[in-house]
Amino acid sequence: GQNIDQPTEMTATEGAIVQINCTYQTSGFNGLFWYQQHAGEAPTFLSYNVLDGLEEKGRFSSFLSRSKGYSYLLLKELQMKDSASYLCAVRDRDYQLIWGAGTKLIIKP
Amino acid sequence: DTAVSQTPKYLVTQMGNDKSIKCEQNLGHDTMYWYKQDSKKFLKIMFSYNNKELIINETVPNRFSPKSPDKAHLNLHINSLELGDSAVYFCASSQAGQGFSYGYTFGSGTRLTVV
Repeated sequence: GQNIDQPTEMTATEGAIVQINCTYQTSGFNGLFWYQQHAGEAPTFLSYNVLDGLEEKGRFSSFLSRSKGYSYLLLKELQMKDSASYLCAVRDRDYQLIWGAGTKLIIKP
Repeated sequence: DTAVSQTPKYLVTQMGNDKSIKCEQNLGHDTMYWYKQDSKKFLKIMFSYNNKELIINETVPNRFSPKSPDKAHLNLHINSLELGDSAVYFCASSQAGQGFSYGYTFGSGTRLTVV
């Protein structure tokens, strides 16, 4: 079967750095996405990785290792508004998105 | 504004009723989707549809049916609603052939409560 694993919940302090991990086992690989979802709202696109390495976009960076089936989302200079769920999703060989259950990130002052 | 819009945002209804959720996208995307997000927050694909092909997740009960009057609309019709249908339903769209790098654009969701 196909599955995406990520921690259920993480807590971090405002101004700090947090890394959210995602491991995946899928039928083929055609890219990995990270989405942010605030409570009661729609998921919104954060980042996309298809090649190994680090993609940086402002305070957010995403890393991919295809050989390890592993990705992480790195959030720097945390702000209270970063409190949300972060969803990892992998596009499989049929170009279908397989979703993780999301990691709820709690930011404390 | 360019977006994926779905209505209604909230829907409370009794068991056994039939209801529809509407979705429209003005992004010019060629594929639309319906997702169900349950209490555990998993996003589960229900349908994906473009003007060529309807792909149905085989786990979706046949009480659920997508209806697409044109490529910008994909409505979800649900017959004989059950308590277990209570969830948030998201519509989404995507465009193939643009490097696949943007994933999906989601609507704001419809919170369905069956009582």
